[in-house]
Amino acid sequence: DTGVSQNPRHKITKRGQNVTFRCDPISEHNRLYWYRQTLGQGPEFLTYFQNEAQLEKSRLLSDRFSAERPKGSFSTLEIQRTEQGDSAMYLCASSLAGITDTQYFGPGTRLTVL
Amino acid sequence: AQSVTQPDIHITVSEGASLELRCNYSYGATPYLFWYVQSPGQGLQLLLKYFSGDTLVQGIKGFEAEFKRSQSSFNLRKPSVHWSDAAEYFCAVGPMNYGGSQGNLIFGKGTKLSVKP
Repeated sequence: DTGVSQNPRHKITKRGQNVTFRCDPISEHNRLYWYRQTLGQGPEFLTYFQNEAQLEKSRLLSDRFSAERPKGSFSTLEIQRTEQGDSAMYLCASSLAGITDTQYFGPGTRLTVL
Repeated sequence: AQSVTQPDIHITVSEGASLELRCNYSYGATPYLFWYVQSPGQGLQLLLKYFSGDTLVQGIKGFEAEFKRSQSSFNLRKPSVHWSDAAEYFCAVGPMNYGGSQGNLIFGKGTKLSVKP
């Protein structure tokens, strides 16, 4: 069990550029979640997948954000035309669907938009 | 609407002293409850969780939490704090639908713990 991994760990970009983050979940986990955390706040839910299907999306997920999990394993989160307000820590979590679903988090990707 | 309140933004305790971090939730039924810890610049580590049964749950690093339905609370405790416990602590509630859990966690804003030598 290598845990949830995220790449890159840090990303600095200029406003208007596109960025893509990757999350590799714990291997046997079929659920994968994306959260965003800004300074001084708790994580806020963005979206989640069960296998390949994207089952829920938050209102926070504007049309500039898109997430995929094409083969039910790793996932990518893309932000198009980044804005300074997108600067945050993007956290990925995974879990095994069941009665006692427990989410395990990765180390996060810190995005800074200049 | 579901929500989690952590009333203390920042707490400072002396090393060796006891600790209690407060968490109150608002939810229509019995939720799943979690405590996570986050060190600076890091992801979240699960400390403990409550799903059902015994209302006092034990976690890692000597932490425990007690679920009190009548008070809608799930406070985190540790009898003797170590300097390495300095971090930010998040309480979270997970919605439970019929047949099992489903969906996202709702987090409080966190409590930052500082430990004095």
